[in-house]
Amino acid sequence: EAQVTQNPRYLITVTGKKLTVTCSQNMNHEYMSWYRQDPGLGLRQIYYSMNVEVTDKGDVPEGYKVSRKEKRNFPLILESPSPNQTSLYFCASRSHRGLYEQYFGPGTRLTVT
Amino acid sequence: QKEVEQDPGPLSVPEGAIVSLNCTYSNSAFQYFMWYRQYSRKGPELLMYTYSSGNKEDGRFTAQVDKSSKYISLFIRDSQPSDSATYLCAMSGDTDKLIFGTGTRLQVFP
Repeated sequence: EAQVTQNPRYLITVTGKKLTVTCSQNMNHEYMSWYRQDPGLGLRQIYYSMNVEVTDKGDVPEGYKVSRKEKRNFPLILESPSPNQTSLYFCASRSHRGLYEQYFGPGTRLTVT
Repeated sequence: QKEVEQDPGPLSVPEGAIVSLNCTYSNSAFQYFMWYRQYSRKGPELLMYTYSSGNKEDGRFTAQVDKSSKYISLFIRDSQPSDSATYLCAMSGDTDKLIFGTGTRLQVFP
């Protein structure tokens, strides 16, 4: 089954404790991205990657890091989480030709206290 | 001003009603228009997309784009309780970036 998986689905952590949210896709997609979704603000892109070893900032990159060492994986790293990073996070992937159809993961609900 | 504006709702309608969901935008370079559906505790999934102006129909769903007014719509005919979800519009221009609306929550009650 074609899918994007994320782990963990739920995470409660404390300020400053480094964490990683994993993302993996099995569709051989070149393009992957991370979004955060907040009430009243919608989906905002954090980082994206057009291919292995190619990453770039989205609209809200502050406080986040990413890496793309393999085509299928695109982890999101919060080196020192803060309460304002409490949000619902989605990983998404698409092929280079499939601009319209992004495949989203199930989401990771992160709470930073 | 946001690039894409979408009424957050919630919109509550009886089963069988015709639903109209709308977005307005400010960037005249947008030419790809999409509607995503997001069920509770799930990621968004693509429902429909259109290129430039015009209508596109898929079963009970019709997407409409009016570039002159910078206005897009999604119509749902014969709405069902299973249509209860948040509907996100999204659009893109000459870059690869998708700009999403904030989403409209729809509830269809039996």
